Amino acid sequence: KAGVTQTPRYLIKTRGQQVTLSCSPISGHRSVSWYQQTPGQGLQFLFEYFSETQRNKGNFPGRFSGRQFSNSRSEMNVSTLELGDSALYLCASSPSGRMNTGELFFGEGSRLTVL
Amino acid sequence: GDSVTQMEGPVTLSEEAFLTINCTYTATGYPSLFWYVQYPGEGLQLLLKATKADDKGSNKGFEATYRKETTSFHLEKGSVQVSDSAVYFCALKPYNNNDMRFGAGTRLTVKP
Repeated sequence: KAGVTQTPRYLIKTRGQQVTLSCSPISGHRSVSWYQQTPGQGLQFLFEYFSETQRNKGNFPGRFSGRQFSNSRSEMNVSTLELGDSALYLCASSPSGRMNTGELFFGEGSRLTVL
Repeated sequence: GDSVTQMEGPVTLSEEAFLTINCTYTATGYPSLFWYVQYPGEGLQLLLKATKADDKGSNKGFEATYRKETTSFHLEKGSVQVSDSAVYFCALKPYNNNDMRFGAGTRLTVKP
């Protein structure tokens, strides 16, 4: 069974640009969550999608957005990039239903560098 | 809000030493508790979990017990191996939503 796949793995952008990251969950998993990982702030929850609906949202500005497609694949978008957005963005999928069990399956992440 | 606090690293041990990584939590209700591990060059993976008070999670020789009275979920292993070198994250899932809260991570290095 293929794991969680994130693309691209690495990317470099400049301030003011926007970026779109993609995540393909494990087959059959309907919940997809996104996290930002930085040395200073650690792992921070961005949002969670289930059946194409955002179920939970973390404390990030509106520049961070996401969506989920009918095949459970998800994308996140960051507009008007800032230097502080440089981070590893992790996607995690879960097989759970209405409430996740907390058993998350993570991808290897997309490392974004903003210059 | 709900949160976890884990001991600062890095931790360096010799092979076969005893490992403890402390984790305490603050939460309303009854959260679920987890330890995730990130091996070099890999994504995070679930190591063990406990969903209610006094539950003991265990996997690969690691153990952690959900202690409600001390709001703790300390990770232990009796004899570490070089292959256990990784970053360990304590995590909490609140009882009423799917917003996982992670600790800062503790880097463990095991020397032969």
